[in-house]
Amino acid sequence: DIQMTQSPSSLSASVGDRVTITCRASQSISDFLNWYQQKPGKGPKLLIFAASSLQSGVPSRFSGSGSETDFTLTISNLQPEDFATYYCQQSYSIPFTFGPGTKVDIK
Amino acid sequence: QVQLQESGPGLVKPSQTLSLTCSVSGGSISSADHYWSWVRQPAGKGLEWIGHIYLSGNTNYDPSLKSRVTISINTSNNHFSLRLTSVTAADTAVYYCARVSRTSNHSDYWGQGTLVIVSS
Repeated sequence: DIQMTQSPSSLSASVGDRVTITCRASQSISDFLNWYQQKPGKGPKLLIFAASSLQSGVPSRFSGSGSETDFTLTISNLQPEDFATYYCQQSYSIPFTFGPGTKVDIK
Repeated sequence: QVQLQESGPGLVKPSQTLSLTCSVSGGSISSADHYWSWVRQPAGKGLEWIGHIYLSGNTNYDPSLKSRVTISINTSNNHFSLRLTSVTAADTAVYYCARVSRTSNHSDYWGQGTLVIVSS
């Protein structure tokens, strides 16, 4: 199985901040990397697919980059509705494993 | 707008079988561009991929669950289902169904999730 790690596991930020979350795969996954946002009591919401493609309807302050084993999710100009937990997922090989998540809360 | 809705018993006894259904509306489960997935989340923990099914009926499962899990699809009723046998307390979780795009295997629509508790 491909192992996914995320850093940091949590962070505190203020509205208007630029936030960067890193995801690393245990082996190359090309660009088969997706990012999801999850709020308490809700199902995950797709933000970014194929490492850098913005899902329709997602604000442009969200962006993704990276390839092979190292990936980044950036939220520029953090908004109140962005406080949530973020998960990366590799969809390169079965099983499609998720990272452990990064919780973004209010400073 | 595609919507997915999980349904099934919220309480299952240990050693019994967990059965859930995901009803798809606003789109066809027979779409050639998508397939259908189950993911679960134990309380306070991260997301765990369970498996998925294609329109053809072909499936892929997480190796750790493979001996106990079956995913099936019903195109007539536009839904797909999850069966997990011999459950234990470790199977207690919120279970989500999702639609997966074939282009890069990303899950673009998710259900709201349903909590299943395994307890006697």
